[in-house]
Amino acid sequence: EAGVAQSPRYKIIEKRQSVAFWCNPISGHATLYWYQQILGQGPKLLIQFQNNGVVDDSQLPKDRFSAERLKGVDSTLKIQPAKLEDSAVYLCASSDRQGIDYGYTFGSGTRLTVV
Amino acid sequence: RKEVEQDPGPFNVPEGATVAFNCTYSNSASQSFFWYRQDCRKEPKLLMSVYSSGNEDGRFTAQLNRASQYISLLIRDSKLSDSATYLCVVDSGGYQKVTFGTGTKLQVIP
Repeated sequence: EAGVAQSPRYKIIEKRQSVAFWCNPISGHATLYWYQQILGQGPKLLIQFQNNGVVDDSQLPKDRFSAERLKGVDSTLKIQPAKLEDSAVYLCASSDRQGIDYGYTFGSGTRLTVV
Repeated sequence: RKEVEQDPGPFNVPEGATVAFNCTYSNSASQSFFWYRQDCRKEPKLLMSVYSSGNEDGRFTAQLNRASQYISLLIRDSKLSDSATYLCVVDSGGYQKVTFGTGTKLQVIP
């Protein structure tokens, strides 16, 4: 089974610039998550999709962050404009949330550095 | 009260020791629980699900206490390779969000 694909792996941008991340979940997984993980902290949920609908985006800074999941498959997360405090690893995960041991499978993440 | 709380540690234990972590959650309607392991600069990976009746996988035992709203992870005979951050995850099911704890760092010392 192919895993969750994310790109790019690394990105360095200047503050006030824009950046976009891409995620391709495991085939058939209806639920897709974007997490922000700042060094030394646990992952913080930014947005959760069920198919192409938003389940929760209460912690997404909507003045600068946006996310979409077209056709319920791939997803993109955008930051515009970026701030220094956005430096973090952005993790995408997917799940089918079926059965008992469904778990969530994470991609390798995109490490963003804002300078 | 935070939705999911963990002691951040670090827990420094000698090889062979037994160590336990707890994780408390605030939503009594939460349905599914997991423990994840995260190595430095890597993505989290599923360690084990937590069943209502408790479950064991080798040296690892996970338990759920719904009355007190916490889950636990017990690691017996600690190995150097167990050094990592352990994250608890609470899923309230359906159209509810998934919440990760901030993680507990374990360092197993030779």
